[in-house]
Amino acid sequence: DSGVTQTPKHLITATGQRVTLRCSPRSGDLSVYWYQQSLDQGLQFLIQYYNGEERAKGNILERFSAQQFPDLHSELNLSSLELGDSALYFCASSDRTGGVETQYFGPGTRLLVL
Amino acid sequence: AQTVTQSQPEMSVQEAETVTLSCTYDTSESDYYLFWYKQPPSRQMILVIRQEAYKQQNATENRFSVNFQKAAKSFSLKISDSQLGDAAMYFCAYRSAGLRGGGSNYKLTFGKGTLLTVNP
Repeated sequence: DSGVTQTPKHLITATGQRVTLRCSPRSGDLSVYWYQQSLDQGLQFLIQYYNGEERAKGNILERFSAQQFPDLHSELNLSSLELGDSALYFCASSDRTGGVETQYFGPGTRLLVL
Repeated sequence: AQTVTQSQPEMSVQEAETVTLSCTYDTSESDYYLFWYKQPPSRQMILVIRQEAYKQQNATENRFSVNFQKAAKSFSLKISDSQLGDAAMYFCAYRSAGLRGGGSNYKLTFGKGTLLTVNP
């Protein structure tokens, strides 16, 4: 158990809908990263937050947005869903171990868009 | 942009034997970190081992060790005394060293993965 929690574990929805994925980082971790894992694109970085502020963006679609709240949990919002958004979405939080920041992953949320 | 290549989509090994998974990367940076993550059927991403580019000594974690060749931009993972529980997808990942402070963009760039099968 990495200490990072994600809810829900599974989500089935229809095209055009909107969903919210939630992530709670490990206690004390200030950084949260979101990744998408799909069969065709592999594991891709979406976005990073650090202590409530957006720090970096990767291959995140405009239909997707995220935020990190004062209690450091984060939410990833996916809207106008398309079939191709079906994927496993991971949240990771980071610590600093001996000066090296290591990312610890949550169990993921499996999203299926029908 | 950095890229990570895992040229072996699948590998298999007999239980108790040794297997090596390959990874190469492309970067213009001199300071960075490399990681191997394991993803078993549960889909959880588990950190196996990490290597700091400025360290010449290869990292080891119990049965797992790496062969880090900085000039060749190669970072292979050796699993010794393979166990059935080692069966998983293994991902190599690159991360820039970034700024030596909190909150830099330490995004991970992953390879496509190598599916390891362990035969009893």
